Amino acid sequence: GQNIDQPTEMTATEGAIVQINCTYQTSGFNGLFWYQQHAGEAPTFLSYNVLDGLEEKGRFSSFLSRSKGYSYLLLKELQMKDSASYLCAVFPSGGSYIPTFGRGTSLIVHP
Amino acid sequence: ETGVTQTPRHLVMGMTNKKSLKCEQHLGHNAMYWYKQSAKKPLELMFVYNFKEQTENNSVPSRFSPECPNSSHLFLHLHTLQPEDSALYLCASSQEFRASSNTEAFFGQGTRLTVV
Repeated sequence: GQNIDQPTEMTATEGAIVQINCTYQTSGFNGLFWYQQHAGEAPTFLSYNVLDGLEEKGRFSSFLSRSKGYSYLLLKELQMKDSASYLCAVFPSGGSYIPTFGRGTSLIVHP
Repeated sequence: ETGVTQTPRHLVMGMTNKKSLKCEQHLGHNAMYWYKQSAKKPLELMFVYNFKEQTENNSVPSRFSPECPNSSHLFLHLHTLQPEDSALYLCASSQEFRASSNTEAFFGQGTRLTVV
């Protein structure tokens, strides 16, 4: 089966750094995505990891360890607009290209 | 604006009604998707179309019927739905279908469906 775990909710202070973890158990692995979704809006793409290591993109970085079935999204210099839900999604290997999404982590940034 | 447009934004329908959701993308993408997002549940992929051909059906009940007349348009026809089908239905598109750095999905704003 497919299973993805993320914390339900996190809070952080404006200007701080926050790390959102995602662990997965899937039938094979063919890439992991992070999406951001503001309330009432469409999810937007943040990052894609398929190899181990850290991918940095501005204030956001995403890390992957395939051997541990683990990823995290690191947000630096937090801004109020970063308050949103962060979705982790994993593509399995094999013939099916149906991704499995986590329930999302609701991040609340306060002044 | 992500380049993916969905209509209507909100829909209330009775269990005996027939309605259709529409999605249009102007990004030149080859793959289009229907997702369902229910409260407190993970985002769930329903259907995948690649170059107008349906390539994935994630065990979706037959009361949901997708149609893809061309690479830019995707419909979801709804018939005899149940109250538990109430959810946000999201359309998405991507350049490619299989997982790669080009598979980032661009989502529409969604249709908030309520079945009464």
